[in-house]
Formats: sequence, C-alpha cells, structure tokens
Amino acid sequence: EIVLTQSPGTLSLSPGERATLSCRASQSVSSSYLAWYQQKPGQAPRLLIYGASSRATGIPDRFSGSGSGTDFTLTISRLEPEDFAVYYCQQYGSSLPYMYTFGQGTKLEIK
Amino acid sequence: QVQLVESGGGVVQPGRSLRLSCAASGFTFSSYGMHWVRQAPGKGLEWVAVIWYDGSNKYYADSVKGRFTISRDNSKNTLYLQMNSLRAEDTAVYYCAREMTTVTTGVSGYWGQGTLVTVSS
Repeated sequence: EIVLTQSPGTLSLSPGERATLSCRASQSVSSSYLAWYQQKPGQAPRLLIYGASSRATGIPDRFSGSGSGTDFTLTISRLEPEDFAVYYCQQYGSSLPYMYTFGQGTKLEIK
Repeated sequence: QVQLVESGGGVVQPGRSLRLSCAASGFTFSSYGMHWVRQAPGKGLEWVAVIWYDGSNKYYADSVKGRFTISRDNSKNTLYLQMNSLRAEDTAVYYCAREMTTVTTGVSGYWGQGTLVTVSS
C-alpha cells in the first residue's frame, strides 16, 4: 500500500501570497495518478487536480499541480480569501491493487 | 446537474449493522464507478470502497474488508454500503462520490454532502 505524506501540516499565509503544498509517496505513483482535493469546513471535498497536473472543470488557473514519481506539489499562485481550507492529495490508478489512499492533509490558514 | 444524496446514517451500537444509501441524479448512473469515502470527526479522508459501473468489480480498504459490502442498483440509480460488525472507529461522515469519467480510476469528481454514522453504546 502506498502511503502519502503531506507537508507542512499547517501553512499560515496571507491573501495574495503564493502557497506551495507537498505530497510525498512511499513508492512511485504510476502514470502520475495523483489528485488534489480542497475541503472547506462543513463541506464535501472538491476535486482540484488529477493526473498530477490537470485542472478539473471550473478550477481557477491560480491552482497548479506538478511532480512525478514520489514527489508532488500543489501551488496556489496568489491566494484568495476563499482558498483557505484543507488540501488532500490522493493516489489512484487503473490496475491492482485498487487502494485509493489519501494523504493526511495540509491546513492552509490565514496569517 | 450531478446530485448525490446520502441517507441512512445515525447512532448504532457496536457490533450492530447499518445500511447507507446514496441516491444519484443528473447523470447516467449506470455508466460510472462509485466510491464511499469516510471522514472521522476532526480527521482526514479515508477511502472505503469502490464499485465498477456495472457492479462487476468491488474493492475495499483493509480496515473494512470482510465487514462492509458495497453494492448498487442501476435501475434505481442508487448506491449502497452495508456495514456489519460496526466498531467505534467506524464513526465518521460517509460520503458517496462519483468517478470523474466513465473510466474507473479512483478520481472522485463529484461528492455528496455526507451522512454521519456514530457507533456508540
């Protein structure tokens, strides 16, 4: 089973700043099958990025994903007030074993 | 638009059973793989189970294997999660989620609002 470790646990930034969130896998994630989700308090998660770098429908271009192998990054270029939330990475795939594990999350809070 | 509405949550004693439902609308339900994902209070997301669009394949997290069963009724546009031998650590909000595309890969593009299951004596 692939274990995903996100860092930092909490990131304190101000609106307008750039945010860089990390997700490290315990073994290589095949075909860059890595997704990012955003979750605000009391809400369901929302898909932001899939395939490590493809934005989901309706996601602003200030969100970008990068990386391959075991190291992945979510970057928010200029933070808007609505971006302060918890972010999760997830590994997925189309072959056995079908274990779609999530990272533990990074909380992005207003400084 | 895509809608997923979970129901069936509540308070249940340890060792008992509960069945969750997820009513889907706004898309061709029988074309998409579906997931259950849970979130314990104040904790992160945990993937629970997946079922292929036609019910032909089902896979589970190790933490629920042998106790939980995912199923679907494509004639009723409904997803189910039968939870047996419930434990305190199964306490969580349970979300149903739809695959982003008709290919089942694990990317959940749409989510319901969740239903809370509390396992307590």
